[in-house]
Amino acid sequence: DVKVTQSSRYLVKRTGEKVFLECVQDMDHENMFWYRQDPGLGLRLIYFSYDVKMKEKGDIPEGYSVSREKKERFSLILESASTNQTSMYLCASSIILSGRNTQYFGPGTRLTVL
Amino acid sequence: SQQGEEDPQALSIQEGENATMNCSYKTSINNLQWYRQNSGRGLVHLILIRSNEREKHSGRLRVTLDTSKKSSSLLITASRAADTASYFCATGGTGANSKLTFGKGITLSVRP
Repeated sequence: DVKVTQSSRYLVKRTGEKVFLECVQDMDHENMFWYRQDPGLGLRLIYFSYDVKMKEKGDIPEGYSVSREKKERFSLILESASTNQTSMYLCASSIILSGRNTQYFGPGTRLTVL
Repeated sequence: SQQGEEDPQALSIQEGENATMNCSYKTSINNLQWYRQNSGRGLVHLILIRSNEREKHSGRLRVTLDTSKKSSSLLITASRAADTASYFCATGGTGANSKLTFGKGITLSVRP
């Protein structure tokens, strides 16, 4: 079974702090994604990566950056956390196989910025 | 940008009844997927239907796809209290990438 883990289930940070959210997958997937989920807005893609050291902006990249130094690890960075970044953050990974691009999700990190 | 839109936003049924959820989308797709999310958890993939398929089954799940109407439906038969969750449709594009675009989700409550 694919396993995607996220470094924290719950995180509380203060405005202006630098925040690192880590995601690790164990199935050698090329693709990794970061989403945020807010009530009434569904899942919105922040950044994604197709390969090591490669990144592409999603729909809402402002205020975030990412790092992918190793294939299994994709980090989301909030350079200076703000209260409007309080949200549920979901990481996912996928591999395209026979045209299927099913995503496997981690359990999520609920981030509160005070 | 949101591609899939689910309907209804919320659904409450009695255990044993069938639950039907709908998804509409706007642009051409390679496939359409349904995911489930239990409260406060990550999403779990349920079923994928390709653009050249019309119907697919998996256990108590039945998915249909009508590309002419750009719509899909997810039917859960003989629902159980444990089916209570949020359900999302996600569309995969025809381009050479693996992104999915998720809808806002449907909250299903199954009363025991």
